[in-house]
Amino acid sequence: DAGITQSPRHKVTETGTPVTLRCHQTENHRYMYWYRQDPGHGLRLIHYSYGVKDTDKGEVSDGYSVSRSKTEDFLLTLESATSSQTSVYFCAISESGGNTIYFGEGSWLTVV
Amino acid sequence: GIQVEQSPPDLILQEGANSTLRCNFSDSVNNLQWFHQNPWGQLINLFYIPSGTKQNGRLSATTVATERYSLLYISSSQTTDSGVYFCAVPYSGAGSYQLTFGKGTKLSVIP
Repeated sequence: DAGITQSPRHKVTETGTPVTLRCHQTENHRYMYWYRQDPGHGLRLIHYSYGVKDTDKGEVSDGYSVSRSKTEDFLLTLESATSSQTSVYFCAISESGGNTIYFGEGSWLTVV
Repeated sequence: GIQVEQSPPDLILQEGANSTLRCNFSDSVNNLQWFHQNPWGQLINLFYIPSGTKQNGRLSATTVATERYSLLYISSSQTTDSGVYFCAVPYSGAGSYQLTFGKGTKLSVIP
Protein backbone atom coordinates (compact mmCIF):
# COMPACT_ATOMS: atom_id res chain seq x y z
CA ASP A 1 0.00 0.00 0.00
CA ALA A 2 1.15 3.51 -0.81
CA GLY A 3 2.11 5.39 2.33
CA ILE A 4 -0.55 8.10 2.38
CA THR A 5 -2.13 9.36 5.57
CA GLN A 6 -5.02 11.80 5.68
CA SER A 7 -6.11 13.69 8.76
CA PRO A 8 -8.61 14.15 10.16
CA ARG A 9 -10.53 11.18 8.80
CA HIS A 10 -13.86 12.53 9.97
CA LYS A 11 -14.84 16.07 10.87
CA VAL A 12 -18.03 18.00 11.53
CA THR A 13 -17.70 21.75 11.38
CA GLU A 14 -19.94 24.80 11.29
CA THR A 15 -20.65 27.01 8.31
CA GLY A 16 -18.19 29.88 8.08
CA THR A 17 -15.34 28.25 9.97
CA PRO A 18 -11.98 27.52 8.36
CA VAL A 19 -10.99 23.88 7.97
CA THR A 20 -7.65 22.34 7.04
CA LEU A 21 -7.18 18.78 5.84
CA ARG A 22 -3.73 17.30 5.83
CA CYS A 23 -2.20 14.73 3.51
CA HIS A 24 1.11 13.16 4.43
CA GLN A 25 3.05 10.76 2.17
CA THR A 26 6.11 8.65 2.81
CA GLU A 27 6.76 7.75 -0.87
CA ASN A 28 8.67 10.92 -1.83
CA HIS A 29 6.38 11.30 -4.86
CA ARG A 30 6.55 14.60 -6.66
CA TYR A 31 2.83 14.99 -7.50
CA MET A 32 0.07 15.32 -4.94
CA TYR A 33 -3.63 15.92 -5.51
CA TRP A 34 -6.82 16.74 -3.67
CA TYR A 35 -10.09 15.33 -5.02
CA ARG A 36 -13.60 15.50 -3.74
CA GLN A 37 -16.20 12.79 -4.28
CA ASP A 38 -19.91 13.53 -4.36
CA PRO A 39 -22.93 11.48 -5.41
CA GLY A 40 -23.83 12.22 -9.01
CA HIS A 41 -20.55 14.01 -9.68
CA GLY A 42 -17.98 11.34 -9.07
CA LEU A 43 -14.40 12.33 -8.33
CA ARG A 44 -13.33 15.85 -9.21
CA LEU A 45 -9.91 17.46 -8.90
CA ILE A 46 -9.70 20.45 -6.56
CA HIS A 47 -5.99 21.35 -6.62
CA TYR A 48 -2.75 19.59 -7.33
CA SER A 49 0.94 20.11 -6.68
CA TYR A 50 3.90 19.23 -8.85
CA GLY A 51 6.56 20.11 -6.32
CA VAL A 52 7.30 22.07 -3.15
CA LYS A 53 5.53 25.43 -3.41
CA ASP A 54 4.28 24.50 -6.92
CA THR A 55 0.52 24.17 -7.05
CA ASP A 56 -2.26 24.68 -9.56
CA LYS A 57 -6.04 24.67 -9.73
CA GLY A 58 -8.18 21.79 -10.77
CA GLU A 59 -11.77 21.59 -11.93
CA VAL A 60 -13.48 22.72 -8.69
CA SER A 61 -11.02 25.01 -6.90
CA ASP A 62 -13.34 27.84 -5.80
CA GLY A 63 -13.45 28.16 -2.00
CA TYR A 64 -10.30 26.07 -1.52
CA SER A 65 -6.63 26.86 -1.12
CA VAL A 66 -3.62 24.58 -0.82
CA SER A 67 -0.07 24.70 0.38
CA ARG A 68 2.93 22.46 0.05
CA SER A 69 5.93 23.52 2.08
CA LYS A 70 7.50 20.04 2.21
CA THR A 71 7.54 17.19 -0.28
CA GLU A 72 5.63 14.94 2.09
CA ASP A 73 2.79 17.27 3.11
CA PHE A 74 -0.06 18.77 1.11
CA LEU A 75 -2.65 20.83 2.96
CA LEU A 76 -6.15 21.67 1.75
CA THR A 77 -7.87 24.63 3.40
CA LEU A 78 -11.50 25.58 3.19
CA GLU A 79 -11.29 29.26 3.99
CA SER A 80 -14.90 29.60 5.11
CA ALA A 81 -16.71 26.28 5.00
CA THR A 82 -20.13 26.07 3.34
CA SER A 83 -22.67 23.27 3.28
CA SER A 84 -21.86 22.66 -0.39
CA GLN A 85 -18.39 21.59 0.72
CA THR A 86 -19.78 18.64 2.64
CA SER A 87 -18.06 15.82 0.85
CA VAL A 88 -15.50 13.07 0.99
CA TYR A 89 -12.02 14.40 0.28
CA PHE A 90 -9.31 12.18 -1.14
CA CYS A 91 -5.64 12.91 -1.33
CA ALA A 92 -3.65 11.18 -4.05
CA ILE A 93 -0.03 10.94 -5.14
CA SER A 94 1.91 9.96 -8.23
CA GLU A 95 5.60 9.64 -8.89
CA SER A 96 5.39 11.84 -11.96
CA GLY A 97 2.71 13.50 -14.02
CA GLY A 98 0.70 10.98 -15.99
CA ASN A 99 1.90 8.08 -13.91
CA THR A 100 -0.05 5.66 -11.74
CA ILE A 101 -2.03 7.53 -9.09
CA TYR A 102 -2.57 6.22 -5.55
CA PHE A 103 -5.27 7.41 -3.19
CA GLY A 104 -5.40 7.96 0.54
CA GLU A 105 -8.24 6.60 2.63
CA GLY A 106 -10.40 9.72 2.48
CA SER A 107 -11.59 12.40 4.87
CA TRP A 108 -15.32 12.70 5.54
CA LEU A 109 -16.24 16.36 6.08
CA THR A 110 -19.68 17.54 7.13
CA VAL A 111 -20.47 21.26 7.24
CA VAL A 112 -23.56 22.07 9.30
CA GLY B 1 -13.60 18.68 -22.02
CA ILE B 2 -13.22 14.99 -22.52
CA GLN B 3 -16.26 12.81 -21.86
CA VAL B 4 -15.94 9.49 -20.09
CA GLU B 5 -18.82 7.04 -20.09
CA GLN B 6 -18.91 3.77 -18.23
CA SER B 7 -21.29 0.91 -18.72
CA PRO B 8 -23.24 -0.70 -17.30
CA PRO B 9 -23.96 1.65 -14.39
CA ASP B 10 -25.01 -1.27 -12.20
CA LEU B 11 -24.23 -4.96 -12.35
CA ILE B 12 -25.32 -7.82 -10.10
CA LEU B 13 -23.46 -11.12 -10.39
CA GLN B 14 -23.62 -14.50 -8.79
CA GLU B 15 -20.33 -15.48 -7.19
CA GLY B 16 -18.19 -17.30 -9.73
CA ALA B 17 -19.57 -15.49 -12.77
CA ASN B 18 -17.50 -13.46 -15.21
CA SER B 19 -18.11 -9.86 -16.23
CA THR B 20 -16.93 -7.14 -18.59
CA LEU B 21 -17.03 -3.45 -17.74
CA ARG B 22 -16.61 -0.84 -20.42
CA CYS B 23 -15.15 2.66 -20.48
CA ASN B 24 -15.62 4.88 -23.53
CA PHE B 25 -13.86 8.21 -23.91
CA SER B 26 -14.43 11.00 -26.39
CA ASP B 27 -10.88 12.02 -27.27
CA SER B 28 -7.49 10.44 -27.78
CA VAL B 29 -5.61 9.84 -24.54
CA ASN B 30 -2.10 8.83 -23.52
CA ASN B 31 -3.05 7.40 -20.16
CA LEU B 32 -5.96 5.42 -18.74
CA GLN B 33 -6.36 4.04 -15.25
CA TRP B 34 -8.88 1.69 -13.63
CA PHE B 35 -9.78 1.91 -9.96
CA HIS B 36 -11.85 -0.11 -7.53
CA GLN B 37 -13.65 1.59 -4.66
CA ASN B 38 -14.63 -0.94 -2.02
CA PRO B 39 -17.77 -0.63 0.12
CA TRP B 40 -15.71 1.13 2.83
CA GLY B 41 -14.69 3.86 0.42
CA GLN B 42 -11.10 2.88 -0.20
CA LEU B 43 -9.86 3.56 -3.76
CA ILE B 44 -7.39 1.08 -5.18
CA ASN B 45 -5.54 1.50 -8.44
CA LEU B 46 -6.06 -1.65 -10.51
CA PHE B 47 -4.37 -0.85 -13.81
CA TYR B 48 -2.43 1.83 -15.58
CA ILE B 49 -3.16 0.88 -19.17
CA PRO B 50 -2.87 3.49 -21.94
CA SER B 51 -2.94 0.71 -24.56
CA GLY B 52 -2.77 -3.03 -24.92
CA THR B 53 -3.69 -5.68 -22.36
CA LYS B 54 -2.60 -6.31 -18.81
CA GLN B 55 -3.53 -9.04 -16.36
CA ASN B 56 -3.44 -9.20 -12.59
CA GLY B 57 -4.83 -12.41 -11.17
CA ARG B 58 -8.53 -12.71 -12.00
CA LEU B 59 -8.62 -9.19 -13.41
CA SER B 60 -7.47 -8.06 -16.80
CA ALA B 61 -7.84 -4.88 -18.80
CA THR B 62 -7.60 -3.98 -22.44
CA THR B 63 -7.39 -0.50 -23.93
CA VAL B 64 -7.90 0.16 -27.63
CA ALA B 65 -6.80 3.77 -27.77
CA THR B 66 -7.51 4.18 -31.49
CA GLU B 67 -11.15 3.24 -30.91
CA ARG B 68 -11.37 5.13 -27.62
CA TYR B 69 -12.46 2.43 -25.23
CA SER B 70 -11.16 0.23 -22.48
CA LEU B 71 -12.54 -2.98 -21.01
CA LEU B 72 -12.08 -4.44 -17.55
CA TYR B 73 -12.64 -8.19 -17.23
CA ILE B 74 -13.38 -9.85 -13.94
CA SER B 75 -13.33 -13.63 -13.96
CA SER B 76 -14.67 -16.00 -11.31
CA SER B 77 -16.05 -13.09 -9.33
CA GLN B 78 -15.92 -13.09 -5.54
CA THR B 79 -17.92 -11.11 -2.99
CA THR B 80 -14.80 -9.06 -2.29
CA ASP B 81 -15.00 -7.75 -5.87
CA SER B 82 -18.11 -5.78 -4.92
CA GLY B 83 -17.84 -2.01 -5.07
CA VAL B 84 -17.60 0.65 -7.72
CA TYR B 85 -15.18 0.50 -10.63
CA PHE B 86 -13.95 3.75 -12.14
CA CYS B 87 -11.92 4.51 -15.20
CA ALA B 88 -10.04 7.79 -15.52
CA VAL B 89 -8.35 9.60 -18.40
CA PRO B 90 -6.55 12.94 -18.65
CA TYR B 91 -8.45 16.15 -19.33
CA SER B 92 -8.39 17.20 -22.97
CA GLY B 93 -5.70 19.77 -23.54
CA ALA B 94 -4.44 19.59 -19.96
CA GLY B 95 -1.49 17.89 -18.39
CA SER B 96 -1.76 14.14 -18.39
CA TYR B 97 -1.88 14.20 -14.60
CA GLN B 98 -5.27 15.93 -14.45
CA LEU B 99 -7.68 13.04 -14.61
CA THR B 100 -11.34 12.98 -15.54
CA PHE B 101 -13.22 10.11 -13.91
CA GLY B 102 -16.19 8.26 -15.26
CA LYS B 103 -19.25 7.89 -13.06
CA GLY B 104 -18.42 4.27 -12.35
CA THR B 105 -19.96 0.81 -12.55
CA LYS B 106 -21.40 -0.44 -9.30
CA LEU B 107 -20.79 -4.18 -8.99
CA SER B 108 -22.58 -6.36 -6.48
CA VAL B 109 -21.44 -9.97 -6.19
CA ILE B 110 -23.87 -12.16 -4.29
CA PRO B 111 -23.00 -15.52 -2.73
